[in-house]
Order: sequence, then C-alpha cells, then structure tokens
Amino acid sequence: DTQMTQSPSSLSASVGDRVTITCQASQDIKKFLNWFQLKPGKAPKLLIYDKSNLETGVPSRFSGSGSGTHFTFIISSLQPEDVATYYCQQYDTLPITFGQGTRLEIK
Amino acid sequence: EVHLVESGGGLVQPGGSLRLSCAASGFNFSTSWMHWVRQDPGKGLVWVSRIKGDGTMTTYADSVKGRFSISRDNAKNTVYLQMNSLRVEDTAMYYCVKGPNPFRNWGQGTPVTVST
Repeated sequence: DTQMTQSPSSLSASVGDRVTITCQASQDIKKFLNWFQLKPGKAPKLLIYDKSNLETGVPSRFSGSGSGTHFTFIISSLQPEDVATYYCQQYDTLPITFGQGTRLEIK
Repeated sequence: EVHLVESGGGLVQPGGSLRLSCAASGFNFSTSWMHWVRQDPGKGLVWVSRIKGDGTMTTYADSVKGRFSISRDNAKNTVYLQMNSLRVEDTAMYYCVKGPNPFRNWGQGTPVTVST
C-alpha cells in the first residue's frame, strides 16, 4: 500500500496568514494527488485535483503543488470559513489511501 | 446535478450485519464506478470498496475483505454495501462516492456504530 504521511496533524493560524500543509507519499504517485476539505456534518469537498488543479468554484487562495512523493497544499490568506480538516489522497495505486488529516483552527 | 443519498446505517452489536444503500441520480449510473469511503471517528478517511459500472469488477480494502460485499442494481440506480461480522473498529460515517477519481461527488454519509 502507498502510505501518505501528512503534516502537521493540527494547526492554528490567524486570519490572513499563509497556511502550508505537506503530504509525503511512500512511493512515486506521479500527479495523482488530491486535497479535500471536511467540515462537520458536511460531505467532503474536493479542492485540488491532480496535485495542482483548482476544482471549479473553489477560491483561488487554495493551491497545490509538488510531484512524485512530496506535495504541498497552501491557503494563501486564511479566512474564518476555512476552519476544517484537510486530507490528501493518492489514487495512483490501489488501495486508494488518504493522509491522516490536518485540523485547522483560527487563532 | 449529481445526487447521492446513503441510508441503512445504525447501531449494531459486534458480529452483526448491516446493509447500506446509496441512491444515485443526475448522471449515467450504469457506466460509473462507485466507491464507499468511511471516516473513522478520531481518525481519518479510509477507502473501503469500489464496483465497476456493470458490476463485473469489485475491489476491497484488506480491513474489510471477506466481511463486506459491494453490489449494485443499475435498474434502481443504487449501490449497496453488505457488512457482515461487524467489529467495533468498523464504527464510522460511511460515504458513497461517484467515481472515477478525482472524487468530486460524495453523499452526506450514513453513520454506523458497532457497540454492545
């Protein structure tokens, strides 16, 4: 299985801050890396697909980059509505695997 | 618009069974891979299973292999997850997801609690 190591596990930042989350794959997953946002009581929401493509309707303050085994997710200017848990996901090989999640709070 | 509605979750004792259903609409269901993903409490997202559009191919996570069975009824636009020999660690919110990746379309989830 491809292990996805996501860090940090939790993060507290101020409104307007730049927030960075990283995801390390245990093997080369090429570009097959997605980022999701989870809020309590809501369905998971796709934010970034194929490492760097912004999903339609998602604010441009969200971005993704990386390749191979190391990937980065950035919120350029944190907003109050961004409070959520964020997950990376690889789909290069089965089983599809997710990172452990990053819980993001406002300071 | 894609719409996925899960049902069938609930409280069950260890060793028991449940069948989850996911009613789909708004897309060509019979040609779409469908997946189940669960969110373990205090943990994270875990992919559980998938089934091909025509039902001829299925895949499972090791943690559920031999206990869970995915199936579909394309006449009813519904995918199922039969869960047998349930364990406490199967407690989770179960989501139905439309394939292929990337997973754009998720249901709201149905909760499963395995407890005495």
